[in-house]
Amino acid sequence: KQEVTQIPAALSVPEGENLVLNCSFTDSAIYNLQWFRQDPGKGLTSLLLIQSSQREQTSGRLNASLDKSSGRSTLYIAASQPGDSATYLCAVETGANNLFFGTGTRLTVIP
Amino acid sequence: NAGVTQTPKFQVLKTGQSMTLQCAQDMNHEYMSWYRQDPGMGLRLIHYSVGAGITDQGEVPNGYNVSRSTTEDFPLRLLSAAPSQTSVYFCASSPRTGGRNSPLHFGNGTRLTVT
Repeated sequence: KQEVTQIPAALSVPEGENLVLNCSFTDSAIYNLQWFRQDPGKGLTSLLLIQSSQREQTSGRLNASLDKSSGRSTLYIAASQPGDSATYLCAVETGANNLFFGTGTRLTVIP
Repeated sequence: NAGVTQTPKFQVLKTGQSMTLQCAQDMNHEYMSWYRQDPGMGLRLIHYSVGAGITDQGEVPNGYNVSRSTTEDFPLRLLSAAPSQTSVYFCASSPRTGGRNSPLHFGNGTRLTVT
């Protein structure tokens, strides 16, 4: 069974710092990897989707990379802002129409 | 734009009671799914549907039923609630046009407590 791990579980950084969130998965047979943001009491918002044939995707200050062979992905956030404070989740999609989620990294950006 | 709408936002049930969690989307998405989110665990797939009239089980389907009579609606039924079903439930949809590589759109969740 696919297992997805996110480290660290929580991260606190001062405003303006660049940061990296990590995601690892055990089975490289994936269709894609997705990064989501979850605000307290809210649903998940899709940030980036990387197809299995791609190496990275960028949206604004966010850049996600995928190394399928090593089972790793990183989400890079440039020039962090207090509004970036949220829980970030990664998920990998397998052949059974299922996404396997990590437990997330709770990010706090301190003004 | 409404997106994915879930009702109710909160619900308390007694053990053995039944109820239906509602999910509706107005984006004409083919794929709809239900997840549960529990502390310390990632979201887990309960059931999913790839189109009207088609449903299938996910990772944790026991104790739940679904149906998909229209493209827009995908209700989740708890047949006989148990304390182990205390969780936050999320509905999600995706267009799936051209394959699997379409991002999921989530509702805001239903927080269910079973006493």
